[in-house]
Amino acid sequence: EVQLVQSGAEVKKPGESLKISCKGSGYSFTSYWIGWVRQMPGKGLEWMGIIYPGDSDTRYSPSFQGQVTISADKSISTAYLQWSSLKASDTAMYYCARIYLGEYFQHWGQGTLVTVSS
Amino acid sequence: SYVLTQPPSVSVAPGQTARITCGGNNIGSKSVHWYQQKPGQAPVLVVYDDSDRPSGIPERFSGSNSGNTATLTISRVEAGDEADYYCQVWDSSSDHYVFGTGTKVTVL
Repeated sequence: EVQLVQSGAEVKKPGESLKISCKGSGYSFTSYWIGWVRQMPGKGLEWMGIIYPGDSDTRYSPSFQGQVTISADKSISTAYLQWSSLKASDTAMYYCARIYLGEYFQHWGQGTLVTVSS
Repeated sequence: SYVLTQPPSVSVAPGQTARITCGGNNIGSKSVHWYQQKPGQAPVLVVYDDSDRPSGIPERFSGSNSGNTATLTISRVEAGDEADYYCQVWDSSSDHYVFGTGTKVTVL
């Protein structure tokens, strides 16, 4: 069974750094793109970027380029999303998802809630 | 950038048919995928490649795509279908993934 398990909820202050994780199991982690999706409170889904864990090829949405960093450690089947300096506007739920054939988000993690508040 | 437009809300009585549209420029030339998101839960893929259903998704969910509009149809609507629904495409010209604005389906 394909599973993506994300790290737990985080509460941070503005300016702090953060790295959240997404661990894949039940499939060949290096053979599928992983995507990250943001959902701000009460809002819709926004694509942030993708990574191919096999070679760490990474693509970003223009809206998030330079704002976040996506990485992966294939030795532990885990993808990451990180911020170097959080803002209050980063408060949102973040989902990782396995992408199938480069087209759609086939399997989703349970989400990680990030709250940034002073 | 490519834009997908959905109606904010659709209301339907139990047992009736709900149709959710997703508008985009020449969307008929793209593959459209649909997700259901219930409150407090992660999205779930309900239709992919315009009209295919993942295993475990009821036949009541179907999709079509032509011209400038894709449609998700939910037949014989049940109370458990109440959720937000999002369409999505991969835009090959920009190599970007695009989600629709989302539609809240209310079962009366």
